[in-house]
Amino acid sequence: EVQLVESGGGLVKPGGSLRLSCAASGFTFSSYSMNWVRQAPGKGLEWVSSISSSSSYIYYADSVKGRFTISRDNAKNSLYLQMNSLRAEDTAVYYCARSRLVGSGLDWGQGTLVTVSS
Amino acid sequence: QSVLTQPPSVSAAPGQKVTISCSGSSSNIGNNYVSWYQQLPGTAPKLLIYDNNKRPSGIPDRFSGSKSGTSATLGITGLQTGDEADYYCGTWDSSLSEGVFGTGTKVTVL
Repeated sequence: EVQLVESGGGLVKPGGSLRLSCAASGFTFSSYSMNWVRQAPGKGLEWVSSISSSSSYIYYADSVKGRFTISRDNAKNSLYLQMNSLRAEDTAVYYCARSRLVGSGLDWGQGTLVTVSS
Repeated sequence: QSVLTQPPSVSAAPGQKVTISCSGSSSNIGNNYVSWYQQLPGTAPKLLIYDNNKRPSGIPDRFSGSKSGTSATLGITGLQTGDEADYYCGTWDSSLSEGVFGTGTKVTVL
């Protein structure tokens, strides 16, 4: 069974930093592209970033480019999101999501809440 | 701002059918697979449909997906109270090199 468990969320002041982690189990982590998707309170889903299986390809939404960094450690079956220069509008539940091997579709973790407020 | 447009809400009585549209462009839906997600209140999204019309194991055949040109559609037949949720379409946008989601549709069972 695919399991994705996010951690690292919390309350941070504007301009601060936070590092999210996603522990993966139940599948061969090193074979799959991974993603971060966020959802602001009461709002829809917003794609944040994607990383290929070997970290060769990395993509970011314009809203986080230059501030967030996605990375992975295949030896530790873990995905990360380093978030710097945080803004109030980054407040959201952040989901770790696994891409299917071929084609479309994401499998999701339970999410971790990030609140940016003074 | 979402690049995929969905109706804000749809509703129907138990046992009836609803369809949810997802409108995009040639750079996203027109040239990439579409997936659909169900988000029950207070929970994480769940994959319902992938590759336009395929269902993961465990998803009942009451849920179906289709795609034509730059639009996609999710259908739910035999509507149940447990289907009340928000539904999102998603795909990749080749011009933006970004993942994109629809604006979301709330399904209400009357």
